This record gives sequence, structure tokens and C-alpha cells, in this order.
Amino acid sequence: GAVVSQHPSRVICKSGTSVKIECRSLDFQATTMFWYRQFPKQSLMLMATSNEGSKATYEQGVEKDKFLINHASLTLSTLTVTSAHPEDSSFYICSARDVTGKAEAFFGQGTRLTVV
Amino acid sequence: GESVGLHLPTLSVQEGDNSIINCAYSNSASDYFIWYKQESGKGPQFIIDIRSNMDKRQGQRVTVLLNKTVKHLSLQIAATQPGDSAVYFCAENILGGAQKLVFGQGTRLTINP
Repeated sequence: GAVVSQHPSRVICKSGTSVKIECRSLDFQATTMFWYRQFPKQSLMLMATSNEGSKATYEQGVEKDKFLINHASLTLSTLTVTSAHPEDSSFYICSARDVTGKAEAFFGQGTRLTVV
Repeated sequence: GESVGLHLPTLSVQEGDNSIINCAYSNSASDYFIWYKQESGKGPQFIIDIRSNMDKRQGQRVTVLLNKTVKHLSLQIAATQPGDSAVYFCAENILGGAQKLVFGQGTRLTINP
């Protein structure tokens, strides 16, 4: 099956620093990648949708200057949390759809971000 | 962000019994629905999907029912096993300028021995 690899799985950073999370599709090409944030005991909240080679589409209330998304190739998207604060601590998950246009999305294993 | 389903119920069932997990969605502009299973600290795992032109689809031990009239999805798990304990989410593919996959609130399923 299709595999999406997310890295790192856990990261601890200091307030004010930036953190980059990578999302790679390992055995397929992804035209669309989604980034989600999940707080404890809550659902996945869509942050943004990124398409290869174009700007990401952010959901209402998500600051695009704080959560920088780059989808430079068909196998890699990155999310950078800039000037992180403790309230940014969360579980970040990416997913990807392949170029064939099938609607199914494959998920990474998530990244636990803790800002101290 | 958008949300499909507005509550996080908990469902406890006896091992071997059947489970039914429900989901209400609010957006009519969708063509595809997916059920995911999420274990603690992991990303969602695909279980089964259904297109909006269908009302039922069966997989191995799982069945998804779609009622577009009342905007309702359900996931039936037959003969539940301890490994079925997890949080289950429905997700909706919303058509638009950029198709997006929006998740419901989730249901925690606990299997009692």
C-alpha cells in the first residue's frame, strides 16, 4: 500500500524558534497534501491543503505566515512552525493523495511537537 | 477549520459483539466518505470508504452505510476484537476549488473482554 513518511516523529523546541516537519510520499507521487493539527482527545483539524508547485490554501483562522507550507515536489511537503509558542504544542499530521486522482488520502505517522 | 460531526462519544462493547459507530456530516458538497481508525500517538489508518452514489459498502468485518437524506454515516464492525479498540473518525471529501478532506469529531471504541 501507499506509504507516507513524516519526520520527525517527536520534537521539542524552545519558544521563539522554528521547527520544520517533513512529509514524504515514498512509493507514489502526491499532487495534493493536507496538513492537520490534533489536540488531545480532539479530532484532526485541517490547517491547509497544498498542491505541488503552487501556494497552499489555508483554512480560516490558520495563520499562513506562522505555518509555512512548501510543496516543492510530487513527493515532499514541509510544514514550518515559525516562532513557536507553547500553544503551538500539538500533534501534526500530514496526508497525501496520489496523482491518479483517487480520493483516498494516506496518512503519515504524525509529529508530536512540544514547545517549552 | 471545518468539522464533520460535533461530538466525541464513547462506545463500550463486549468482545465478540457488533459495534455501530455513527457520524453526522453537514456539507452536501461532497462525493466521498472515509472511515479511519486512529490508535494513540499514531496517524489515521484507512478502514473503508464509500462514494456518494452508493448507500452501502462492505469490507472484511466492516460495513459502511450512507444516508444522504439525513447526512448520516455509520460504521458497523462485526465480532469486535480487542485490537479494534481505538478512536474512529469519519472524513468527508468536500468538492470545491481545492478538494479537501475534513474529519468528524471521532468516537472512542473500547472493547471489554
